[in-house]
Amino acid sequence: GAGVSQSPRYKVTKRGQDVALRCDPISGHVSLYWYRQALGQGPEFLTYFNYEAQQDKSGLPNDRFSAERPEGSISTLTIQRTEQRDSAMYRCASSPAGRSYNEQFFGPGTRLTVL
Amino acid sequence: GQQVMQIPQYQHVQEGEDFTTYCNSSTTLSNIQWYKQRPGGHPVFLIQLVKSGEVKKQKRLTFQFGEAKKNSSLHITATQTTDVGTYFCAGRTNAGKSTFGDGTTLTVKP
Repeated sequence: GAGVSQSPRYKVTKRGQDVALRCDPISGHVSLYWYRQALGQGPEFLTYFNYEAQQDKSGLPNDRFSAERPEGSISTLTIQRTEQRDSAMYRCASSPAGRSYNEQFFGPGTRLTVL
Repeated sequence: GQQVMQIPQYQHVQEGEDFTTYCNSSTTLSNIQWYKQRPGGHPVFLIQLVKSGEVKKQKRLTFQFGEAKKNSSLHITATQTTDVGTYFCAGRTNAGKSTFGDGTTLTVKP
């Protein structure tokens, strides 16, 4: 596709359920980032990959959160045993190279609501 | 950890007035990026600054990177209603991770 896509766009789940959020980056982009954005705030870094290697996961809030990018393209962010405080917009971004000097292209986000 | 702060949080201007938002990092940055997010949209890249003291212009927008590479500003001359949105700075260290500020939301009264 022409841009970064994310699915689902909206996810409503009950507390305690697991959710998997998918990101399909721009074809050929090396770097992939996951952010969480609360209303009225900037994107909060969660983790990022270069190719299939997870370079930094320091932003993951706790061990209920995990991410993978097994073939260096599509990535999945998984939240286990969801809690109400996990409700937020989850954004994915991709960047064309592994260096730090490239713009990030953001997807439309997945709005997660935990009831 | 690294913190990036932006001021003001909100700015309301009359169309035609100028607008400036400021970004300050707690640590020295390798580069800084600016993004614009329209209401209901996603952040869209505007520009990247790398060099100490760098100034870049895009039409009515002027971006500056401080000499110490710890602060930056975005100035819009003669705002238009199309400038409405939230402007974020994102500071990057050599580690490659981006830290975003909480943005300045600009509203423009026609």
